[in-house]
Amino acid sequence: AQTVTQSQPEMSVQEAETVTLSCTYDTSESDYYLFWYKQPPSRQMILVIRQEAYKQQNATENRFSVNFQKAAKSFSLKISDSQLGDAAMYFCAYRGSGTASKLTFGTGTRLQVTL
Amino acid sequence: GAVVSQHPSWVICKSGTSVKIECRSLDFQATTMFWYRQFPKQSLMLMATSNEGSKATYEQGVEKDKFLINHASLTLSTLTVTSAHPEDSSFYICSARYTGRNEQFFGPGTRLTVL
Repeated sequence: AQTVTQSQPEMSVQEAETVTLSCTYDTSESDYYLFWYKQPPSRQMILVIRQEAYKQQNATENRFSVNFQKAAKSFSLKISDSQLGDAAMYFCAYRGSGTASKLTFGTGTRLQVTL
Repeated sequence: GAVVSQHPSWVICKSGTSVKIECRSLDFQATTMFWYRQFPKQSLMLMATSNEGSKATYEQGVEKDKFLINHASLTLSTLTVTSAHPEDSSFYICSARYTGRNEQFFGPGTRLTVL
């Protein structure tokens, strides 16, 4: 079974600074998808960024980028120029490539953004 | 982006009663819907997966007779918590996916409190 591990329960970053959230996963599949979701206090899950395992290029979405290391099974999220609105729970998630595959979530990292 | 709604956003009920939560995909046809449960400060736990017109597939440990899931159309899935008890109090989140998309779209969640 696939597992997703987020080893940082909480992180803190100053406004305008950069922070990196860690995520590792375990799988025997060669083709899969990885996601970072944000859950603000409203508890609405918001997709931040996604990465297809077959793509070597790291995904980027504005201030959010990932460092995808397939061999190491690592998928970290970098948030640049942090803003107060970035404060939230961040969940790393894995999904296999099959149509019946389900999302497996990590335990989450709570990000605080300070002035 | 694809929008998923949930109704109600919160509900309080007496122990022993049943509660129905609706999940709708507003601008797409959801071939697969997922129901999650989230306890405070924890990750999302998948309860069941449903495909339109088929019986739901429940995760291990989830009582199918207690959590009734119906996915009668491509835009609507319902979760009915039968004979609710205080331990069923939780935050329930639905998610939907349609053929050809690898990401899931999440509803805003429903907070259930059983007195």
